[in-house]
Amino acid sequence: EAQVTQNPRYLITVTGKKLTVTCSQNMNHEYMSWYRQDPGLGLRQIYYSMNVEVTDKGDVPEGYKVSRKEKRNFPLILESPSPNQTSLYFCASSPILELETQYFGPGTRLLVL
Amino acid sequence: GQQVMQIPQYQHVQEGEDFTTYCNSSTTLSNIQWYKQRPGGHPVFLIQLVKSGEVKKQKRLTFQFGEAKKNSSLHITATQTTDVGTYFCAGTSPGTYKYIFGTGTRLKVLA
Repeated sequence: EAQVTQNPRYLITVTGKKLTVTCSQNMNHEYMSWYRQDPGLGLRQIYYSMNVEVTDKGDVPEGYKVSRKEKRNFPLILESPSPNQTSLYFCASSPILELETQYFGPGTRLLVL
Repeated sequence: GQQVMQIPQYQHVQEGEDFTTYCNSSTTLSNIQWYKQRPGGHPVFLIQLVKSGEVKKQKRLTFQFGEAKKNSSLHITATQTTDVGTYFCAGTSPGTYKYIFGTGTRLKVLA
């Protein structure tokens, strides 16, 4: 089944404790992206990647890191999480930008205490 | 920076009534995509428009992209309870691969 998977789905952590949220897609998509969703603000893009070893900042990259060592994986790294990073995070992938849909993962709900 | 606003923020309708949400960008877009997110779910792609003035229909849903490629609308005819959710528009600016999402319109349908 074609899908985007994220792990973990739920995470409670404390300020300053490094964490990684994994994202994997099995559709051989070139484009992958991370978003955060906060009430009243919609979805905001954190980082995106056009292909392996090619990443770029979205609208809200501060406090986040990403890597794209393999085409299927695009982990999101929070080196030192803070409470303002409490949010719902979505990973998405797309085969060809501008002509194709983005497929979203199920989401990761993060609470930083 | 670039902003994409959607109105209204919330809409409650009686089942069978029509519904429209509007999406307005501060800058020209290369394309516009529409997504639906059910409560507790993830965004699901509905459609993409790329041409100025383009209109597309999917059953009871009609999508329109403005002539200046800065605004768009989604119209649902005769809403059903299955239409409940939040509708988002999203687009990229010419020459970039960065997506900007609208703030979303949350639709509730009363049976």
